[in-house]
Amino acid sequence: NAGVTQTPKFQVLKTGQSMTLQCAQDMNHNSMYWYRQDPGMGLRLIYYSASEGTTDKGEVPNGYNVSRLNKREFSLRLESAAPSQTSVYFCASSETRGNYGYTFGSGTRLTVV
Amino acid sequence: DQQVKQNSPSLSVQEGRISILNCDYTNSMFDYFLWYKKYPAEGPTFLISISSIKDKNEDGRFTVFLNKSAKHLSLHIVPSQPGDSAVYFCAASGRQGGKLIFGQGTELSVKP
Repeated sequence: NAGVTQTPKFQVLKTGQSMTLQCAQDMNHNSMYWYRQDPGMGLRLIYYSASEGTTDKGEVPNGYNVSRLNKREFSLRLESAAPSQTSVYFCASSETRGNYGYTFGSGTRLTVV
Repeated sequence: DQQVKQNSPSLSVQEGRISILNCDYTNSMFDYFLWYKKYPAEGPTFLISISSIKDKNEDGRFTVFLNKSAKHLSLHIVPSQPGDSAVYFCAASGRQGGKLIFGQGTELSVKP
């Protein structure tokens, strides 16, 4: 099983450009999440989707939008990239209930210049 | 407002000895806690968890202790191995399966 797949793995953007980070899971999980990892800040939740058709803001949603395309896919969009959005982005999925924790993808390293 | 805090950015331990990683939280509504391990260029992987109704959970070399009155949890690794060298994140949730709030992470280095 692939688990959680993120594309692309690396990306360099110029300030003001837009892009979409893709995430897909094949575990039939209901919930999906987007986190960013920054030095000294740990993992911070950007947006999450508790179930297909719903999305909610996390701790740091400004500058981002999300789409839960179907049960498998959850995309993160940067409409106008800023240097402050330089980070490593992780997508994760989980069962809605239960103590199984999250399954994470391998991350997208984004640099905005 | 950091609701989950790992105050030690790094920890170095000799192989075979005990590693103790600490985590504090401020939100008394958290009732489920997890530890994740992360290697470079990979996503975090689930390691061990504990519910607030327990004060200890053990899985092989890994044990998590929870002190609710102090709002503190710790991860013990005994014996430590070089392959345990990674960044460890603690995380907390208000309910099982709910969204997780992560700490800043502690980088563990186990030296042969």
